[in-house]
Amino acid sequence: GAVVSQHPSRVICKSGTSVKIECRSLDFQATTMFWYRQFPKKSLMLMATSNEGSKATYEQGVEKDKFLINHASLTLSTLTVTSAHPEDSSFYICSASGGQGAGSSYEQYFGPGTRLTVT
Amino acid sequence: GEDVEQSLFLSVREGDSSVINCTYTDSSSTYLYWYKQEPGAGLQLLTYIFSNMDMKQDQRLTVLLNKKDKHLSLRIADTQTGDSAIYFCAEMGDYKLSFGAGTTVTVRA
Repeated sequence: GAVVSQHPSRVICKSGTSVKIECRSLDFQATTMFWYRQFPKKSLMLMATSNEGSKATYEQGVEKDKFLINHASLTLSTLTVTSAHPEDSSFYICSASGGQGAGSSYEQYFGPGTRLTVT
Repeated sequence: GEDVEQSLFLSVREGDSSVINCTYTDSSSTYLYWYKQEPGAGLQLLTYIFSNMDMKQDQRLTVLLNKKDKHLSLRIADTQTGDSAIYFCAEMGDYKLSFGAGTTVTVRA
């Protein structure tokens, strides 16, 4: 139980284009989803927290107009990197937490990550 | 991660025990976690401990929490080659996780 998927696993895009990354909770309802960014050999940096049906809360220093987050259902959140630049190249990981049991509010389950490369 | 600190590397012989240490600063943390990350993959939740506990054991994993010193440790008994990975300590505050920089564990034969 408590499986979170991400799609795509790897994506290469040209500078100036936009890329959408999907995060799905497969076997539980995720009331809250989190988006992280991880640089090589570094820890995870929380970018934003999204609750189903409401606007995402962004961490300080994260541009909300550049990293668009949508959490339209209890099983799906998307992160769109708009007008991507090479410095946006990174490993993006989502996590999800929910109500009772697996995925309860104090348990976050992570997706496998998406490697974004902007050329 | 600046509020959560871990040593960066640990090398251990196969079959020995591994001990990974972590210190945190937020005394109001309700839960503390250990995650495992293998190369190119996401994070796998290994175990967590509630702040009013001082020990939790789950098969080969033992978590010790010293709340007074804000010190958390993860002991892996009978370490195997498959245990080679990066281990992240994390604390939860306000439903958000703060991670340490990760400890790279290398298991040698």
